[in-house]
Amino acid sequence: DSGVTQTPKHLITATGQRVTLRCSPRSGDLSVYWYQQSLDQGLQFLIQYYNGEERAKGNILERFSAQQFPDLHSELNLSSLELGDSALYFCASSVAGMGYEQYFGPGTRLTVT
Amino acid sequence: AQSVTQPDIHITVSEGASLELRCNYSYGATPYLFWYVQSPGQGLQLLLKYFSGDTLVQGIKGFEAEFKRSQSSFNLRKPSVHWSDAAEYFCAVGSFGNEKLTFGTGTRLTIIP
Repeated sequence: DSGVTQTPKHLITATGQRVTLRCSPRSGDLSVYWYQQSLDQGLQFLIQYYNGEERAKGNILERFSAQQFPDLHSELNLSSLELGDSALYFCASSVAGMGYEQYFGPGTRLTVT
Repeated sequence: AQSVTQPDIHITVSEGASLELRCNYSYGATPYLFWYVQSPGQGLQLLLKYFSGDTLVQGIKGFEAEFKRSQSSFNLRKPSVHWSDAAEYFCAVGSFGNEKLTFGTGTRLTIIP
């Protein structure tokens, strides 16, 4: 158990819908990272937040957005969903930024039908 | 841009045999290197990391990896594998000041009795 929690574990929704994935980092960690894992794209970094502010952006679509709240939990919002958005979405947390270990949550499996 | 190559998609070894998983990276600055393991349906667990110093690093579960700058490699080794080591292994690269972790495509390890 990494100490990072993600909800829900599974999510099934239809194309065009909007979903929110939630992540609670390990106690004391200020950084939260979001990753997408799919069969065709592999593991891709989406976005990082540090203490409430966006720190780095990767291959995140404009239909996707994220935020980190004052209690440091983070949410990833996915809108106008397409079949290709079906993937495992991981959240990771670290004490600060690069140079510190990232601890991964168990992931949310999103299926878009 | 940083990149990671794991040339072996799938490796099969006998229980008790030695293991080496290959990882080559491309990055202009001094890299931070990581190996993660992912069991089916699970999140990623950090096995070991290299930031600086001794180029042979020890990790959890009896794994070790050696950083070879001249070969741009960070191969993972284990002298004697156990059936519980069957999983997917990911090499990743990052660097100080660049928050994005770039992952390889992974190597699936199968253990035969």
